[in-house]
Amino acid sequence: GAVVSQHPSWVICKSGTSVKIECRSLDFQATTMFWYRQFPKQSLMLMATSNEGSKATYEQGVEKDKFLINHASLTLSTLTVTSAHPEDSSFYICSASRDRVPEQYFGPGTRLTVT
Amino acid sequence: AQKITQTQPGMFVQEKEAVTLDCTYDTSDPSYGLFWYKQPSSGEMIFLIYQGSYDQQNATEGRYSLNFQKARKSANLVISASQLGDSAMYFCAMREKAPREYGNKLVFGAGTILRVKS
Repeated sequence: GAVVSQHPSWVICKSGTSVKIECRSLDFQATTMFWYRQFPKQSLMLMATSNEGSKATYEQGVEKDKFLINHASLTLSTLTVTSAHPEDSSFYICSASRDRVPEQYFGPGTRLTVT
Repeated sequence: AQKITQTQPGMFVQEKEAVTLDCTYDTSDPSYGLFWYKQPSSGEMIFLIYQGSYDQQNATEGRYSLNFQKARKSANLVISASQLGDSAMYFCAMREKAPREYGNKLVFGAGTILRVKS
């Protein structure tokens, strides 16, 4: 149990376009979902926290208008990178948590390359 | 201030031997949780073990054990009988806030790359 999926697993897009990444909890209801960004050989950096039906809480330094997060249901959160630039190329990972369980369950990640 | 410190950028261990990955943390909250995750080259984050600040005993999960020394604020991961498949990046992470407020964010350390030699 506690499986989180991400789609797509990798994507290449042109500079200036937008790309949407989906994060789904497959077998549980996720009260909270998190979005992380990871550069090669570095740690995970939390971008934002989202709860179903409410606005996401962004970490300091993360542009809300560039990284749009929608938590439409208890099993789905989306991250849209708007007007992508090459510096947005990174590994994006989502995670989900559920009530009364301490750990976060991570998706497999999405590798974004902006050309 | 850095909350999670992993001082070993890289470690080597011989297959079948035990290895300890260091993690120290800093928090003023009496209620917190400590996690270890494994990230192989594929990128997925695999949950290994959890220790709550009020847990009396050190957590164990199969070949993984957490050496929790509260006074020293350390939460080292011990992997026994290393296997080639253990080669990966390992992250220590901390969750703050009260135990009932699950879903609070995690703060990650910089990670340690472990290489198991045959």
